[in-house]
Amino acid sequence: GAVVSQHPSRVICKSGTSVKIECRSLDFQATTMFWYRQFPKQSLMLMATSNEGSKATYEQGVEKDKFLINHASLTLSTLTVTSAHPEDSSFYICSANLRGDGNQPQHFGDGTRLSIL
Amino acid sequence: AQSVTQPDIHITVSEGASLELRCNYSYGATPYLFWYVQSPGQGLQLLLKYFSGDTLVQGIKGFEAEFKRSQSSFNLRKPSVHWSDAAEYFCAAARNTDKLIFGTGTRLQVFP
Repeated sequence: GAVVSQHPSRVICKSGTSVKIECRSLDFQATTMFWYRQFPKQSLMLMATSNEGSKATYEQGVEKDKFLINHASLTLSTLTVTSAHPEDSSFYICSANLRGDGNQPQHFGDGTRLSIL
Repeated sequence: AQSVTQPDIHITVSEGASLELRCNYSYGATPYLFWYVQSPGQGLQLLLKYFSGDTLVQGIKGFEAEFKRSQSSFNLRKPSVHWSDAAEYFCAAARNTDKLIFGTGTRLQVFP
């Protein structure tokens, strides 16, 4: 089945550091990838939709200069949290759709736990 | 506004008992509907999905869900719960398979 790999699984860093999270589709091409944020004991909130070769589409209230998204290939999207602060601490999850198949659901990575000290 | 509601935040059942997790949606038209399961610190695994057709959908791990248009519901069921089913369950809806809207989740606890 479709596999999405997310790396790293956990990051602990100092305030002010920029952190990059990778999302890869391992056995399929993903035209579109999605980035979600999940606070403890809460649901997933879509942050942005990442389209290969074009700019990401951000949801309302998500700072595009804070959360930089790059989707340089059909198998890789990256989320960079710039100058991270403690309030950015959260669980970040990516997902991907199988390219060209509008009837396939999203496949999720295992998430990245980001802790900013 | 489009929304997904999971009325039960936390459910506790005994192992072997039956289970039903509730999900209601509010959409302009019938959306695609999904149930995902999340173990602690993990990503989401798709249990089942409904796009169209038969309103009773079979999924993995013995789960099934029934779409009821009249009630705008998509409840998840399992006839006999196993201890390994303890996890967080999310219902989600979308106009297509792109922009998922998630419910707030139901935490399932299973007692031996």
